Amino acid sequence: QLQLQESGPGLVKPSETLSLTCTVSGGSISSSSYYWGWIRQPPGKGLEWIGSVYYSGNTYYNPSLQSRVTISVDTSKNHFSLKLSSVTAADTAVYYCARRAIGYGGYFDYWGQGTLVTVSS
Amino acid sequence: QSVLTQPPSVSGAPGQRVTISCTGSSSNIGAGYDVHWYQQLPGTAPKLLIYANNNRPSGVPDRFSGSKSGTSASLAITGLQAEDEADYYCQSYDRSLSSWVFGGGTKLTVL
Repeated sequence: QLQLQESGPGLVKPSETLSLTCTVSGGSISSSSYYWGWIRQPPGKGLEWIGSVYYSGNTYYNPSLQSRVTISVDTSKNHFSLKLSSVTAADTAVYYCARRAIGYGGYFDYWGQGTLVTVSS
Repeated sequence: QSVLTQPPSVSGAPGQRVTISCTGSSSNIGAGYDVHWYQQLPGTAPKLLIYANNNRPSGVPDRFSGSKSGTSASLAITGLQAEDEADYYCQSYDRSLSSWVFGGGTKLTVL
């Protein structure tokens, strides 16, 4: 059974960089059929797609966040990572990693449990 | 505001049928992109409920069904049960935004 697990600091100071890692177990991140992505959910609000990465390193980013986001993949460790720079309180959210089927019509079929990141001094 | 519009809330009594709408535009649902639905129980991660408009992943009861027409899609839940009380989100791709997008979510209350 595929499992995804987010890890990283739960508290980040304003203007600093948020860094999270998603470790994939029970399957290979090098599968040609999937992208690996990040989605966030501010407290009490809806879901927002942040970006996705292919095992080759190809990425797609949400244009509204593109200037601050970097998503990378490490196939040797079977994990992928998110960096979000210059964070503000508006970036406080539960961050989920998820697997997405390839193609524009792709859906997110496996999700991590999520990790709350709070931006505060 | 989301480019996919969902009602903020719906409700129904146990055993009843409810539907949740997801209204988009010619740059997402109307452009032919598939619609997917997720169920989010309180305090948990979203779970894929319906994919590619009307397909259920293994383990999802057939009480849940999806449909798509024009620039809209719908999720129907029949034989409502207390355990169905959750937030439901639709998702598609928007070519104008070049983004995978979610609806704002609908809270289902089982009366």
